[in-house]
Amino acid sequence: RKEVEQDPGPFNVPEGATVAFNCTYSNSASQSFFWYRQDCRKEPKLLMSVYSSGNEDGRFTAQLNRASQYISLLIRDSKLSDSATYLCVKAGGTSYGKLTFGQGTILTVHP
Amino acid sequence: DTAVSQTPKYLVTQMGNDKSIKCEQNLGHDTMYWYKQDSKKFLKIMFSYNNKELIINETVPNRFSPKSPDKAHLNLHINSLELGDSAVYFCASSQTWGATEKLFFGSGTQLSVL
Repeated sequence: RKEVEQDPGPFNVPEGATVAFNCTYSNSASQSFFWYRQDCRKEPKLLMSVYSSGNEDGRFTAQLNRASQYISLLIRDSKLSDSATYLCVKAGGTSYGKLTFGQGTILTVHP
Repeated sequence: DTAVSQTPKYLVTQMGNDKSIKCEQNLGHDTMYWYKQDSKKFLKIMFSYNNKELIINETVPNRFSPKSPDKAHLNLHINSLELGDSAVYFCASSQTWGATEKLFFGSGTQLSVL
């Protein structure tokens, strides 16, 4: 089983839609979780950290469920500029000092 | 100013050749990394250096040899290139060892081995 698993999609949604991605992870010792965004042919960039208490940044909400070992990302009021690959990432535990990336979920927002 | 810069951006070469990718960061970070992104888009860590010292060597063939002349530079030399080495290679840095929540990535080097 991969350490971080995501549905690769693609998700095709119209502007203004709400879209949610889930990600599951193995190794419950993992301590920290993040969502990174990667535009086509570009480098990954940190989108937001994920906390058990939830984390909201504008239209983006991230949630961590340690009991079920999954992480979610909710995007409200999708914009064309949200089109990208969203990477679920874990760190810590036995992965101390490195990030372990999921395969990524492709999102395309269309007019 | 680019925070993490790597060169070249594109590298096309024949099997069996030796090539190098250079990386420099001007953020004053202690830790640098090399990640490989394959055709299926998985990003996997290859190496990590902290203050010029090798910390992580993630089961990478010994044809790959990183070198860190100082903490601002981490270069990657690849000997006897193989078709399977074709990928995008990303350099990254973080402020300190273990501060992995905020990795700054370079723009990537697309390596094509023919």
